Amino acid sequence: DGGITQSPKYLFRKEGQNVTLSCEQNLNHDAMYWYRQDPGQGLRLIYYSQIVNDFQKGDIAEGYSVSREKKESFPLTVTSAQKNPTAFYLCASSIRSVGVGQGNEQFFGPGTRLTVL
Amino acid sequence: QKEVEQDPGPLSVPEGAIVSLNCTYSNSAFQYFMWYRQYSRKGPELLMYTYSSGNKEDGRFTAQVDKSSKYISLFIRDSQPSDSATYLCAMSDNDMRFGAGTRLTVKP
Repeated sequence: DGGITQSPKYLFRKEGQNVTLSCEQNLNHDAMYWYRQDPGQGLRLIYYSQIVNDFQKGDIAEGYSVSREKKESFPLTVTSAQKNPTAFYLCASSIRSVGVGQGNEQFFGPGTRLTVL
Repeated sequence: QKEVEQDPGPLSVPEGAIVSLNCTYSNSAFQYFMWYRQYSRKGPELLMYTYSSGNKEDGRFTAQVDKSSKYISLFIRDSQPSDSATYLCAMSDNDMRFGAGTRLTVKP
């Protein structure tokens, strides 16, 4: 089955810890994205990557880091510098990135709920 | 003013009703319009994808785009309890922007 997987489903972090959220896709999509979802707010873009070994900051990148060493994988690290990390994190992918015409619709993984203890 | 405005609801309708969900936007450069359905504690699922103005129908769902008014709609006919979810509008040109979502409950 083609799709996007995220792990873990639930994650708990202590103050001062870095944690890494996994995102894998087998759709052969070039572009991948990380969003944060908070109650009553739209999805906010953290980072995106259009191609391997390249990524760009989104609207709320502070306190987060990413890597894109393989086309299939786009892990997100929530660092201790992120002051309010409790949220639902969503990974998405698209055939191409936005602005390149058709094929920019995004497909989402099941999400990871991160809670700071 | 937010780039994309969507009434958060909640919206509650009886089974079989026609549901109308709407978003307005301010960026006239948006050309691609999407509707996602998100069940509780799950990732959003793409429902409809349209390009520019006009209507698109898929089963019980109809997406409508009016670029002159900067207004998009999703209509659900013969609504079912399984349609109970949060519906997110999204639109893009060079950047993708999402609405905050409307929570819909369809009561049996």
